Amino acid sequence: DAGVTQSPTHLIKTRGQQVTLRCSPKSGHDTVSWYQQALGQGPQFIFQYYEEEERQRGNFPDRFSGHQFPNYSSELNVNALLLGDSALYLCASSLGRWGFQFFGPGTRLTVL
Amino acid sequence: AQKITQTQPGMFVQEKEAVTLDCTYDTSDQSYGLFWYKQPSSGEMIFLIYQGSYDEQNATEGRYSLNFQKARKSANLVISASQLGDSAMYFCAMREVDNYGQNFVFGPGTRLSVLP
Repeated sequence: DAGVTQSPTHLIKTRGQQVTLRCSPKSGHDTVSWYQQALGQGPQFIFQYYEEEERQRGNFPDRFSGHQFPNYSSELNVNALLLGDSALYLCASSLGRWGFQFFGPGTRLTVL
Repeated sequence: AQKITQTQPGMFVQEKEAVTLDCTYDTSDQSYGLFWYKQPSSGEMIFLIYQGSYDEQNATEGRYSLNFQKARKSANLVISASQLGDSAMYFCAMREVDNYGQNFVFGPGTRLSVLP
């Protein structure tokens, strides 16, 4: 039973570029949530996707957008990257919008 | 306003001893859930223990127990018989739920170092 997987593991971008991060939920899960964890801080909620729609959103600008595919996998897109976007991006999946969340290993994004 | 407070940025404990990691929370909801996660240097958030606001008994999972004091809004994690592999960041989190879904609010974390 595969757990939550994320790709890539690490990524380096420069300011102003765009980035796409990917997440495959745990088998049987249909809901994906994304979190940003800056260095030395706790994770912060970005948004949650269910039935291919954004259901909840945290306090993040429109530069952060997402998508969920029919197979429940999800992408996080960040446009016009800033140095402050450097962080570990965590994906969590659950069965249903209120189910127990399982976290993936994260993608570490560095913006130079 | 910060909803989850962890006042110990770093803690040291001797191997085989017990340690308590503090967590206080702020909510006006009657129904909520409190979680503790361990995050090793690899980055993955590992679920340790859960306490529901209506649970009458403190949660326990192996060497982990949660000292839940609802009136004081505290949910401290107790690790008994510390092991070297317990060295990691520990996060307290509260689950927020509404009609649209859920999200987790995390505290700033406590770095635990277990000394041989």
